[in-house]
Amino acid sequence: LAKTTQPISMDSYEGQEVNITCSHNNIATNDYITWYQQFPSQGPRFIIQGYKTKVTNEVASLFIPADRKSSTLSLPRVSLSDTAVYYCLVGDVFTGTASKLTFGTGTRLQVTL
Amino acid sequence: EAEVAQSPRYKITEKSQAVAFWCDPISGHATLYWYRQILGQGPELLVQFQDESVVDDSQLPKDRFSAERLKGVDSTLKIQPAELGDSAMYLCASSLGPDFVSYGYTFGSGTRLTVV
Repeated sequence: LAKTTQPISMDSYEGQEVNITCSHNNIATNDYITWYQQFPSQGPRFIIQGYKTKVTNEVASLFIPADRKSSTLSLPRVSLSDTAVYYCLVGDVFTGTASKLTFGTGTRLQVTL
Repeated sequence: EAEVAQSPRYKITEKSQAVAFWCDPISGHATLYWYRQILGQGPELLVQFQDESVVDDSQLPKDRFSAERLKGVDSTLKIQPAELGDSAMYLCASSLGPDFVSYGYTFGSGTRLTVV
């Protein structure tokens, strides 16, 4: 079971690029890396998922080096509404059991003016 | 956008009382999950259903917690008796299938339980 390590919190100003790094030293060959965002009093929301190299969608980019022992979520030009907790998940549920995925404590991002 | 419905939104109950939470997944989603999230921590899986069958309840405290999904659609999570340590957000999520990589999860807004 791949364990993940993230910074507990980060601060940023509006308009800046934010990079949140997640360490997962014992990631397995079949594991994917997924990031979720959670606002207070809401359930987590899917942001992005990747296996290797770089993945980009309309809200974020995910950078995964060749050894896959870490990954970086990049949020371009954050706004106040990006203030949330960001979770890095590493796992493979091809066997169908979600207990193999653990959320950890996440990174609390605070964006200010 | 389709949503996972949960009710009630908030619940306050006294210690030793019974409490129940309801979840209606997105239509057509065969896999349903219940998570518990203690304040300041990430969600932890309690139980996973595939249609009406329990796939994984290894982390469900079975002495006081029970979950059912009788017709493979909506689901109920029950706690009896409630303890002070059960105060948490209870989240329901659903997906098309158990393959997380392909389908991902959609979470509901949760039920905030306070046990007094």
